[in-house]
Amino acid sequence: EPEVTQTPSHQVTQMGQEVILRCVPISNHLYFYWYRQILGQKVEFLVSFYNNEISEKSEIFDDQFSVERPDGSNFTLKIRSTKLEDSAMYFCASKRESSYNSPLHFGNGTRLTVT
Amino acid sequence: AQSVTQPDIHITVSEGASLELRCNYSYGATPYLFWYVQSPGQGLQLLLKYFSGDTLVQGIKGFEAEFKRSQSSFNLRKPSVHWSDAAEYFCAVGVLKAAGNKLTFGGGTRVLVKP
Repeated sequence: EPEVTQTPSHQVTQMGQEVILRCVPISNHLYFYWYRQILGQKVEFLVSFYNNEISEKSEIFDDQFSVERPDGSNFTLKIRSTKLEDSAMYFCASKRESSYNSPLHFGNGTRLTVT
Repeated sequence: AQSVTQPDIHITVSEGASLELRCNYSYGATPYLFWYVQSPGQGLQLLLKYFSGDTLVQGIKGFEAEFKRSQSSFNLRKPSVHWSDAAEYFCAVGVLKAAGNKLTFGGGTRVLVKP
């Protein structure tokens, strides 16, 4: 069964550094998402992306965050200048259609540790 | 704004015993409700979903959930748990928008299975 793949599985970075988290959604999917889960807290929506633009973003997704689909297969999340509080598990997800009948497929996540 | 509460942070159950995980939601309109499972080191896997119709929905791995509008609940059940059911379970509510379709998650319930 096709999967959403995320790389790397674990990323350690120093505060203030830029980090790019990479995702390869399922190939015929059109809707893309990033969620994150700070340790011990809820899974939180960050951003949704469709037709090469952001369709919705949460208040967490400030100017330090950006997303891109650079080549038709990858979907990236960039954090421009990481903060300690950005340490979390970041999940990429994709779905084929907008309907809720179209299931949302999650990747295994990238654990980001900011030191 | 929508919200989801999972009152139980941890549940320990013996193998072969029944399991019920509680979920309460708050949302002004008809909710789209989901249960996801996360095994260690894995992404979120959809167990089942409810949109409308029959309030008792069947999912994968022998799970079922019942939507009770009067109680704003969507509890997950399994008649007889297996050791492989040890995982974290997340309830989520969906908000239908043009392209966003974001999910709001509960805090999760970690299930431990005793032999």
